[in-house]
Amino acid sequence: AQSVTQPDIHITVSEGASLELRCNYSYGATPYLFWYVQSPGQGLQLLLKYFSGDTLVQGIKGFEAEFKRSQSSFNLRKPSVHWSDAAEYFCAVGDPFTGGGNKLTFGTGTQLKVEL
Amino acid sequence: GAGVSQSPSNKVTEKGKDVELRCDPISGHTALYWYRQSLGQGLEFLIYFQGNSAPDKSGLPSDRFSAERTGGSVSTLTIQRTQQEDSAVYLCASSAVDEQFFGPGTRLTVL
Repeated sequence: AQSVTQPDIHITVSEGASLELRCNYSYGATPYLFWYVQSPGQGLQLLLKYFSGDTLVQGIKGFEAEFKRSQSSFNLRKPSVHWSDAAEYFCAVGDPFTGGGNKLTFGTGTQLKVEL
Repeated sequence: GAGVSQSPSNKVTEKGKDVELRCDPISGHTALYWYRQSLGQGLEFLIYFQGNSAPDKSGLPSDRFSAERTGGSVSTLTIQRTQQEDSAVYLCASSAVDEQFFGPGTRLTVL
């Protein structure tokens, strides 16, 4: 069964500092990979996704993520964090053999706090 | 355009009562998903509808949970004889191809 690990439950960064959120997955092949953000009281919003090809993917709001097969990782990065980035971030995997639009397995989330 | 909508936004019920949660997906999206978000379990897949195919019910935690999707559009998640451990936020998502768009969720509290 596939699984996703987000080792950091909480992260605090200063506004303007760089950010990296970690995500590791367990799967027999390369899954479809996603990062979602959830602001308080809001639904999940897709930041970016990786299916194949270039291992560095760009997303919305200035986020990017890099797929590293050797490390089974898909870490999310942002060069300069804004106070509005404070939210909870979820990494998710999907089964590529049933299509990208299938059920997702989520990590437990990382709560990001931004200090002004 | 309109996103995924869910109703009610909040539901408080007493243990043992039945509840129905509604999801209106984005028009034209053939796939619809239900997830549950709770403090102890994180985000869990519940059920998945794709077109006219039989739904994937593999995530439903017990036979008290059921869902239907009428006319390939609106979906209702029903929880019978609610228990306190059913308290959670129930999220609905829909997709056309590969990106799932999520609704704001229904917060269910079972007293």
